[in-house]
Amino acid sequence: EPEVTQTPSHQVTQMGQEVILRCVPISNHLYFYWYRQILGQKVEFLVSFYNNEISEKSEIFDDQFSVERPDGSNFTLKIRSTKLEDSAMYFCASSAYRQGGYQETQYFGPGTRLLVL
Amino acid sequence: AQTVTQSQPEMSVQEAETVTLSCTYDTSESDYYLFWYKQPPSRQMILVIRQEAYKQQNATENRFSVNFQKAAKSFSLKISDSQLGDAAMYFCAYRLKTGANSKLTFGKGITLSVRP
Repeated sequence: EPEVTQTPSHQVTQMGQEVILRCVPISNHLYFYWYRQILGQKVEFLVSFYNNEISEKSEIFDDQFSVERPDGSNFTLKIRSTKLEDSAMYFCASSAYRQGGYQETQYFGPGTRLLVL
Repeated sequence: AQTVTQSQPEMSVQEAETVTLSCTYDTSESDYYLFWYKQPPSRQMILVIRQEAYKQQNATENRFSVNFQKAAKSFSLKISDSQLGDAAMYFCAYRLKTGANSKLTFGKGITLSVRP
């Protein structure tokens, strides 16, 4: 069964460094998302992406964050200058397009655990 | 704005017994999806079950079923014949059916433990 994959599974970085988290969505999906989960807290929406544009972003997704689909398969989240509070699990998700603009269930990747020291 | 509330932080169930996890939500919309996701210790988010708001029939997936009460804005998950592998964090989530505003809004989750 197709699945969303994410790399790396774990990333440790120093405060102020740039990190790029990578995702390969399910191949026929057209809608892509990033969520994060700080340890012990609920999953929070960061950004949604469709047709090479951001569809919606949350207040968490400030100028330090960016997303990109550099080729036909990858979907990346970049944090330009990491802060301690960026330590979290980052989930990529994707969903298919259906006729009428309806979107199907979002399928999640296994997550990248980011630790900022 | 839509909100999802899971007021029980923890629940415990005996193996082979049935347990119900509660969820309420608030929305002014009429057409939306509701989901239950399971997050085991590996922290991967696994879809358990989905309900479409315009469908009156409650969704079922093997041992998992929901009790969807649209007027009351309630969406509970029933797990029958609980197994040790059901032990996990369970999140209730809401999503509008159409439009750019397609994000999932999650509740805080409930930790389910299964006693052997």
